[in-house]
Parts: sequence; C-alpha cells; structure tokens
Amino acid sequence: QQQVKQSPQSLIVQKGGISIINCAYENTAFDYFPWYQQFPGKGPALLIAIRPDVSEKKEGRFTISFNKSAKQFSLHIMDSQPGDSATYFCAASLNNAGNMLTFGGGTRLMVKP
Amino acid sequence: ETGVTQTPRHLVMGMTNKKSLKCEQHLGHNAMYWYKQSAKKPLELMFVYNFKEQTENNSVPSRFSPECPNSSHLFLHLHTLQPEDSALYLCASSFDSGPSYEQYFGPGTRLTVT
Repeated sequence: QQQVKQSPQSLIVQKGGISIINCAYENTAFDYFPWYQQFPGKGPALLIAIRPDVSEKKEGRFTISFNKSAKQFSLHIMDSQPGDSATYFCAASLNNAGNMLTFGGGTRLMVKP
Repeated sequence: ETGVTQTPRHLVMGMTNKKSLKCEQHLGHNAMYWYKQSAKKPLELMFVYNFKEQTENNSVPSRFSPECPNSSHLFLHLHTLQPEDSALYLCASSFDSGPSYEQYFGPGTRLTVT
C-alpha cells in the first residue's frame, strides 16, 4: 500500500516559471514532511521540510504548502532554473519514528532554458 | 560530498554470485539505512539499523543480508539474486531522534543482475 502519492510523474517548465509538485498522504499520524532532490548519479538530498503546525514554509525559491485537512502538501519552485532539473521526492514520517520515511514515487522535473 | 560513501558504484553479477555492498558514514550518526530504488517505483526502505541493532526489515528476501559491525559501517551481502533485483541501492545515515531527521544519502551502487 503506497501511503504517499506524488504527482505528476514528470514536469516540464520554462525557465522563470513556477514548478508545482503535489503529494497526498493517508496516515493522519504522519507529522514530518520532507522533500528530497536527486540529481543523476547522486543520492537524494534534503531540500526543505515542514511539520503540520504550520501551513507554509519558504526557503529561498522553494516553498512547501501544507493542507492538514486535505492531507496534502506541495512543493513550489519559483523562478525555476535549468539547474533545478532533477527528480523530486516527497516523504512523510511518524513522530515516534521520525527517521522512518515513506517516500512518494518521485517527479522528474525538466526546466527548459 | 554528503559524508556517506558507497562502494562499488557499479556492480554486475550473475545469479549464482555472491557479492557485498559497502557503506561508510563520517557524520557521527547512529542510524543507517539501505534503500532500493527501481525505475517507476518509490524508494523502498529495506533495512534500518539504530546503534548497530537492526530495527526494521521490510519483508526483504533472505538473499539480501545486511551487516552493521559498528555505527559507521553498513554492508549488504548479496547471494543468488534475481534479475528483478537490478536497481540502485542507496545507503543513508541520520540521527535516530531529535529535532532533525534529515537522512544523508550516499551516491548509490548501480546493481545489474544477469
């Protein structure tokens, strides 16, 4: 059973545009929601993370929006750049097992110059 | 570099071979993980070790055998694998508690089973 569903599977955005990736989860006990970025030939790396006590978190051009009632969260990349082209994974975990992450299926983002 | 190294980076093995993947972390973490990354599938957690003790085994077939001799090293021993086991195997490490659960991943070992 996939507990974290991610969409879209792939995304093409023009340079300067906004990239939006969505995730939905089923387990209401999840309370830590990180996003990881993976470049070809590299392992995933933490990009930004949020806890459900806030509805939005922003770090530079990257913003997580969180909707607890809908059990959804999304990643917004503002002013997308070709260097942002990578695969993005959302994840979720339980507070009492914060290091046990359940990952979404991934979104391959391509930003065209 | 993330502070997590994996060797080898690429491995081709036959179904009757025995091989081992190695992971080493230089971050002072006390938890280490093995993940399997296949095309068109989410990252699958295979094993978790906290303080050298295995705390999670996600119904992984016995042809995969992990070993954690200390908190800095993690091995994955492979034997009689199947072609469907071909994938990228990622090692990660983190603290097992505290305000940040950030996992640091190695670059992975690309495994091909022929």
